[in-house]
Amino acid sequence: DIQMTQSPSSLSASVGDRVAITCRASQSITPYLNWYQQKPGKVPKLLIYAASSLQSGVPSRFSGSGSGTDFTLTISSLQPEDFATYYCQQTYSTPHTFGQGTRLEIK
Amino acid sequence: QITLKESGPTLVKPTQTLTLTCTFSGFSLNTNGVGVGWVRQPPGKALEWLAVIFWNDDKRYRPFLQSRLTITKDTSKNEVVLTMTNMDPVDTATYYCARGSTYYYKAFDIWGQGTMVTVSS
Repeated sequence: DIQMTQSPSSLSASVGDRVAITCRASQSITPYLNWYQQKPGKVPKLLIYAASSLQSGVPSRFSGSGSGTDFTLTISSLQPEDFATYYCQQTYSTPHTFGQGTRLEIK
Repeated sequence: QITLKESGPTLVKPTQTLTLTCTFSGFSLNTNGVGVGWVRQPPGKALEWLAVIFWNDDKRYRPFLQSRLTITKDTSKNEVVLTMTNMDPVDTATYYCARGSTYYYKAFDIWGQGTMVTVSS
C-alpha cells in the first residue's frame, strides 16, 4: 500500500491567514493526488483533484501544487467556513489511501 | 442531479455479515471510466478506503480486508452492494459510498450522506 502522511496533524490559524497543508506519499504518485474537506458531522467534499485541478464550485482561494511524492494544499486567505479537517488521497494505485487528516482550527 | 444514498442495518452483532446498498441516480455505471466506491470513518478517526467497482466490472479491495469484502453492481437497478463478513466492534463506523471517475483521476467527486453502523452484541 502507498502510505500518505499529512503535516501538520492540526493547525490553528486566523481568518485572513494564508495556510499550507502538506501531504507526502511513500512513492511517486504524480498526478493522482486529491484533497477533500470535511466539516464536523458532514460528508467529505472534493476540493482538488489531479494535484492542482480545482473542483467546480470550489473557491479560488484553494489551490493545490506538487509532484512526485510531495504535495501542498494552500488556502490563500482563510474564511470562517474553511475551518474543517482536510484529507489528501492518492488514486495512483489501489488501495486509494487517505492521509490521516489535518484539523484546521480557529486561533 | 447526481445523488448516492447508502442503506443497510444500523446495528449488527459480532461475527455477522454486513450488507450495505448504495443506490444512485444521475449517472450510469455502464459509462466508460465511472466507478462507485466505499469509504468508512470510525467515530473521530480518519477516512479509510475500502473498495471500488468500475464500469467494466473491475473490482479492487483494501488488501487487509479483502478476504472479508465483496463488492457487486446491478446496473439495471443503479445499485452497488458491499458485503463485509465476520463483523467486529472495530468495524463500527460511518460507511460512505461515492462516485469516482477517470475524468477526476478516480477521485470521489460525489458522496452519499453516509450510514452509521454499530457492531455490538
